[in-house]
Amino acid sequence: QMQLQESGPGLVKPSETLSLTCTVSGDSIISHYWTWIRQPAGKGLEWIGRVYSSGSSRSSPSLESRVTMSVDTSKSLFSLRLASVTAADTAVYYCARDYFYDDGDSQPNNWFDSWGPGILVIVSS
Amino acid sequence: DIQMTQSPSSLSASVGDRVTITCRASQNIGTYLNWYQQKPGKAPELLIYAASSLQSGVPSRFSGGGSGTDFTLTISSLRPEDFAGYFCQQSYSAPPTFGQGTKLEIK
Repeated sequence: QMQLQESGPGLVKPSETLSLTCTVSGDSIISHYWTWIRQPAGKGLEWIGRVYSSGSSRSSPSLESRVTMSVDTSKSLFSLRLASVTAADTAVYYCARDYFYDDGDSQPNNWFDSWGPGILVIVSS
Repeated sequence: DIQMTQSPSSLSASVGDRVTITCRASQNIGTYLNWYQQKPGKAPELLIYAASSLQSGVPSRFSGGGSGTDFTLTISSLRPEDFAGYFCQQSYSAPPTFGQGTKLEIK
């Protein structure tokens, strides 16, 4: 069974860069999309972006100027970097598999079918 | 971005009750709608994908319906472990967006 695990600093200073890694086990990282989602305390879920195993990526328009994502297939992990953080970036960050289904007849569909447990990142000096 | 609106925001019910949560999209999204359950301190888990398909391992008391702009998640007979948060999410167009959530509490 697939497992994902986020790792990285739990405390980041304002204006610095948040860096997180998600390690995938139990299944191949190849030929899948991988996504980052965050959730401020007591609030809803916000999609940050997705990266394909080839390294191509797409981010939320509201964050794309600050987001960089990458994949290391040799280590079965993918990463997120969020630059110039502020207190508004304080949240639990989740990684997830972004499963795409294409039956060839209509627009492909996708859903987040496996999630990591999440990591709390606090932005504070 | 497509706005997703869930109702109610919170709901009190008893074990054995049948409950329905509604999700409305700001535009037609066909059946590109997914539902997740989230328990306190845990990551969300996929329940329903493509509006009505049950994810593997999810009990059959959960069902999803709807298309276009209006969708439902129904739990046919509540069990104690179902008291949790529920989120809908559209996958019709990027960026994927979520409803604000529905908190299902024990009456």
